[in-house]
Amino acid sequence: QQQVKQSPQSLIVQKGGISIINCAYENTAFDYFPWYQQFPGKGPALLIAIRPDVSEKKEGRFTISFNKSAKQFSLHIMDSQPGDSATYFCGGYGGSQGNLIFGKGTKLSVKP
Amino acid sequence: DVKVTQSSRYLVKRTGEKVFLECVQDMDHENMFWYRQDPGLGLRLIYFSYDVKMKEKGDIPEGYSVSREKKERFSLILESASTNQTSMYLCASSLFHIGQGNGYTFGSGTRLTVV
Repeated sequence: QQQVKQSPQSLIVQKGGISIINCAYENTAFDYFPWYQQFPGKGPALLIAIRPDVSEKKEGRFTISFNKSAKQFSLHIMDSQPGDSATYFCGGYGGSQGNLIFGKGTKLSVKP
Repeated sequence: DVKVTQSSRYLVKRTGEKVFLECVQDMDHENMFWYRQDPGLGLRLIYFSYDVKMKEKGDIPEGYSVSREKKERFSLILESASTNQTSMYLCASSLFHIGQGNGYTFGSGTRLTVV
C-alpha cells in the first residue's frame, strides 16, 4: 500500500522555538507533497506544498525541506507561536494514485 | 466565502438509523471525497467520486454508501448507524488533477455521535 509515514504523533515546542515534523513516502511516482494545517473544529487547509524538483520551499515562517534520494520531507516552523498550535498533515500525490495520500497527523502545541 | 459546505456541524443519531451527511461545493470541482477522522488514526478515506454518478471505494467503505447526482453535491449514507461510526466526518473537493497552488478544499466537518 502506498503510505506516507509521519512523525512525531505529537510535539510540544516553546514559543519562539523551531517545530519540525517529518514525513517519509514510498511511492517514487509522487510528484506533489503538500502540508495541511487543521485547527480544532475546522477542516484541514492547505498550508504549503512542494514538488520534487526543488529541495526547499519557504513561505514566511514555514519551510518544506525535501530529500528525494531518501524519500523524505519535513516541515519546519520557525519562531513558533501559540497560534501555530494545530494538527499538521503531510501528503503525497501523483503517478497512478489518483488520491492524495495523507500521513496520520502531528498535533503541535506551542507553549507561551 | 465558504466553498465546501457540510450541512450539519453536530449530529446525534440512534443505532440502526439511516443517516445522511450532505456536502456541497461551489468551485466546480470534479473530485469529491468523504473522510472520517479519529484520534491517532488520521484521515481515512471512505469513498470518493471523480464525476457525477461515479463512485469509488476508499480504504474503509464498509457500512457506508455515497450518492453523487449533481456535480456540486456528494452525500455520505450510513445505511444502519452503529456506535463504531461515531466520528468526525470531513468532506473535501478538488480539481481532477491537483498540484502547486491547488489541492483539496475541506469542509468544516460533521461530528456524528451514534448512541
